[in-house]
Amino acid sequence: DAKTTQPPSMDCAEGRAANLPCNHSTISGNEYVYWYRQIHSQGPQYIIHGLKNNETNEMASLIITEDRKSSTLILPHATLRDTAVYYCIVRANYGGSQGNLIFGKGTKLSVKP
Amino acid sequence: EPEVTQTPSHQVTQMGQEVILRCVPISNHLYFYWYRQILGQKVEFLVSFYNNEISEKSEIFDDQFSVERPDGSNFTLKIRSTKLEDSAMYFCASSAGTGLFFSGNTIYFGEGSWLTVV
Repeated sequence: DAKTTQPPSMDCAEGRAANLPCNHSTISGNEYVYWYRQIHSQGPQYIIHGLKNNETNEMASLIITEDRKSSTLILPHATLRDTAVYYCIVRANYGGSQGNLIFGKGTKLSVKP
Repeated sequence: EPEVTQTPSHQVTQMGQEVILRCVPISNHLYFYWYRQILGQKVEFLVSFYNNEISEKSEIFDDQFSVERPDGSNFTLKIRSTKLEDSAMYFCASSAGTGLFFSGNTIYFGEGSWLTVV
């Protein structure tokens, strides 16, 4: 899987949008961008994924640049419960050896009152 | 909402003892995984399992580890002779996983089993 680069930490005010960037300049054509988060050593929680189009679900929005070399996860109205480590992972989207998730260190997002 | 369940949530064992961690993947999922996270470190891949056999394993997954799907619902990780360095949170995960570029092949994780070896 392609490597990703994320800032180690970010702060966000409660109620404001949290924008978490991720660089994945070596992404290949069949690799998706996945975002997970981990709240205080709980199991990683799936947030969203995309290939090249922007995606939105009930948790977040994912903006992928046209060249697919970077993306941004947007939490539109961050709450204290969104404080977590956020992982951006590039992954070939099928089973087998190329389908496993390889976790980096992620971005520790701290949402402050 | 379907979820991956793991038992026990926490286990303390003596060095050299055998441990079995149990998981019930999401129903109808075909791919199963074990990951681990040593305290303060990254989440690390251990093994993936499909069609009743290991499809990939990491360097961590040596001969003291084994996985099994003993029936239609459970997926287990066995550590034969535990070492102090096996102390970690172990996460089971599953995915539907069929076909190339299948957009539904998201991997879902359980809440983990915290193993302490003393």
